[in-house]
Amino acid sequence: DAKTTQPPSMDCAEGRAANLPCNHSTISGNEYVYWYRQIHSQGPQYIIHGLKNNETNEMASLIITEDRKSSTLILPHATLRDTAVYYCIVLASSSNTGKLIFGQGTTLQVKP
Amino acid sequence: DVKVTQSSRYLVKRTGEKVFLECVQDMDHENMFWYRQDPGLGLRLIYFSYDVKMKEKGDIPEGYSVSREKKERFSLILESASTNQTSMYLCASSLGPWGLRTGANVLTFGAGSRLTVL
Repeated sequence: DAKTTQPPSMDCAEGRAANLPCNHSTISGNEYVYWYRQIHSQGPQYIIHGLKNNETNEMASLIITEDRKSSTLILPHATLRDTAVYYCIVLASSSNTGKLIFGQGTTLQVKP
Repeated sequence: DVKVTQSSRYLVKRTGEKVFLECVQDMDHENMFWYRQDPGLGLRLIYFSYDVKMKEKGDIPEGYSVSREKKERFSLILESASTNQTSMYLCASSLGPWGLRTGANVLTFGAGSRLTVL
C-alpha cells in the first residue's frame, strides 16, 4: 500500500476553512484515499474516502489532484470540536484484508 | 447506529496476570482488528481476523493472542501481562470483500480500552 506524508501539525481559526494536505505520490490505480480523525481519548472516526473524483459529505470535502499524487481534506467551517488528529490512508480495493496502516497524522488545532 | 463495543474502558492489572479484552460489533462485519496506540508511535496493528476462527498477525503480535469464535466477537488476550503492554487498545471492524471492492472499506472503531499494567 502507498505511503502517505502529512504535516505534523496545523492551526486554523474557528469558522474558517481547514485545508489538510496529504501526499501519496506512489499511489496506484486501484488505491482509495481514506481520511479518519481521532479526537482526544476516543477511537478514530471515518470522515470520507475517494478514488479519483472529488467527494463531499456532511463532514468534509475531499479534493484529489488529477494525477492522484496528493489530496486535500477540507473542513469548510472549522469548529473547536474539529480539533483532532487527522489521518490520511491509502488502501487498494484489491487488498485481501482491508487492514489500514495509520501514520502519524496531522494534529489540527482550531483556535477561537 | 452501528456500534463497536469494548468491554472495559479502563483496566489496571498486575504483571504476569492474564488479561482479556473483549470487543463486540453489531454490524455483521467480516473483518475485525485490534490496534494499540502509544504516544509518538501512533496506531499499530496487533492482530486481525477476516472470518470466524481465522486470524492473522499484524505488525506487533508478540505477547498477544486473539480469539474469534463468533462473527460479532473478537477477543484480545495478554497471556502474561507486562508493563510494556500498558497502552490504549482499540478494536475496529469493517465489511469484508464487498466493502473492499467498492472502496467502502470503512473501519468503525470502539471507544478504546486503556490498560495499565503495574
